[in-house]
Amino acid sequence: AQTVTQSQPEMSVQEAETVTLSCTYDTSESDYYLFWYKQPPSRQMILVIRQEAYKQQNATENRFSVNFQKAAKSFSLKISDSQLGDAAMYFCAYRRKTGNQFYFGTGTSLTVIP
Amino acid sequence: DAGVIQSPRHEVTEMGQEVTLRCKPISGHNSLFWYRQTMMRGLELLIYFNNNVPIDDSGMPEDRFSAKMPNASFSTLKIQPSEPRDSAVYFCASSLVVSASEKLFFGSGTQLSVL
Repeated sequence: AQTVTQSQPEMSVQEAETVTLSCTYDTSESDYYLFWYKQPPSRQMILVIRQEAYKQQNATENRFSVNFQKAAKSFSLKISDSQLGDAAMYFCAYRRKTGNQFYFGTGTSLTVIP
Repeated sequence: DAGVIQSPRHEVTEMGQEVTLRCKPISGHNSLFWYRQTMMRGLELLIYFNNNVPIDDSGMPEDRFSAKMPNASFSTLKIQPSEPRDSAVYFCASSLVVSASEKLFFGSGTQLSVL
């Protein structure tokens, strides 16, 4: 099975500042999809952003953007102008194009300091 | 649509008892996933169904775990007998696989505590 690694169990950021969450993955496939999900204390899983591996351009959704380095198998999430509502657990996920299995990392707990 | 519905939301049981977790996917979705979330391992994929057929159960930890999907609108995850190390949050998720860019829709999870 593919593996997804999030090496930062916990991160913190000052409100209005920028923070980057790291994610690396291991795969032998050339085409796949990558996702970041947010899990607030309510346990709800919310899609933050997604990236298609064959696209060179990094995905952006408002204050959220990714730095996708395919050769390095790296997919980091940047949160700009951090807000208190951004405090949550963030999961990086890999989805196979064939087979469609989703694999998740262990998560990064983000604290936003007022 | 009500989203993915899981029941119960919380389950407390004693070691050795049988536990059954239930999931109703979003109507029209053709893929269903069961995950287990723990602090140590994050979200682990247990089993994946496509069109009600189990495609990948390599994540099922041992024979005590079994999952079924008798029809497109219902799935169960059963643990028999349960053990304290099975304590975790269990999520069900569904997706319409038109493209692998489709996101997963998650239920609210079942918090399982095995005493």
